[in-house]
Amino acid sequence: SQELEQSPQSLIVQEGKNLTINCTSSKTLYGLYWYKQKYGEGLIFLMMLQKGGEEKSHEKITAKLDEKKQQSSLHITASQPSHAGIYLCGAAQGGSEKLVFGKGTKLTVNP
Amino acid sequence: DTAVSQTPKYLVTQMGNDKSIKCEQNLGHDTMYWYKQDSKKFLKIMFSYNNKELIINETVPNRFSPKSPDKAHLNLHINSLELGDSAVYFCASSQIPGNTIYFGEGSWLTVV
Repeated sequence: SQELEQSPQSLIVQEGKNLTINCTSSKTLYGLYWYKQKYGEGLIFLMMLQKGGEEKSHEKITAKLDEKKQQSSLHITASQPSHAGIYLCGAAQGGSEKLVFGKGTKLTVNP
Repeated sequence: DTAVSQTPKYLVTQMGNDKSIKCEQNLGHDTMYWYKQDSKKFLKIMFSYNNKELIINETVPNRFSPKSPDKAHLNLHINSLELGDSAVYFCASSQIPGNTIYFGEGSWLTVV
């Protein structure tokens, strides 16, 4: 079965700094999702990537999927306390509707 | 207007009890899911229904029984609750299987 490894597991940054979270798959990714979870809230859909080399941006968050479609990165520019939370990558398993998730990256942004 | 809503949000109950978590989506989606997030924040799918029919049933104790009275609702009933059932349970939906999945806010279940 497909496994997703996220790194780092946790990250503490000063407000205004840039940061990157990585998600690596043991198999080719047919659909890579990024979600954000804040404590006490649900999972918020951020972006979905499907094509090798694809890059999407939303406000200060940019996600990329590498050409080989086995690794994705999430980059936050000029981080803010509102970016704090747990970021999860998820991937369609074998092209099916089942999503498997990484264990998440806990981001803390200090003012 | 919450797209995927779950109730209750917090639930504390004793071992051996039976409890239900309800989920409703107003997105007009055909597919609904239940995910479990354990204490290590690992998220795993439990069940999926498409047009009220069960299409995914992962290795979950049969004390867990999903019920979908219509496409907009997917409830989760848990019998004989155990300490290990303590987790956050997320309901989710997608237009069709394989499309982007939208999650509810989660239901925090604590079994004491």
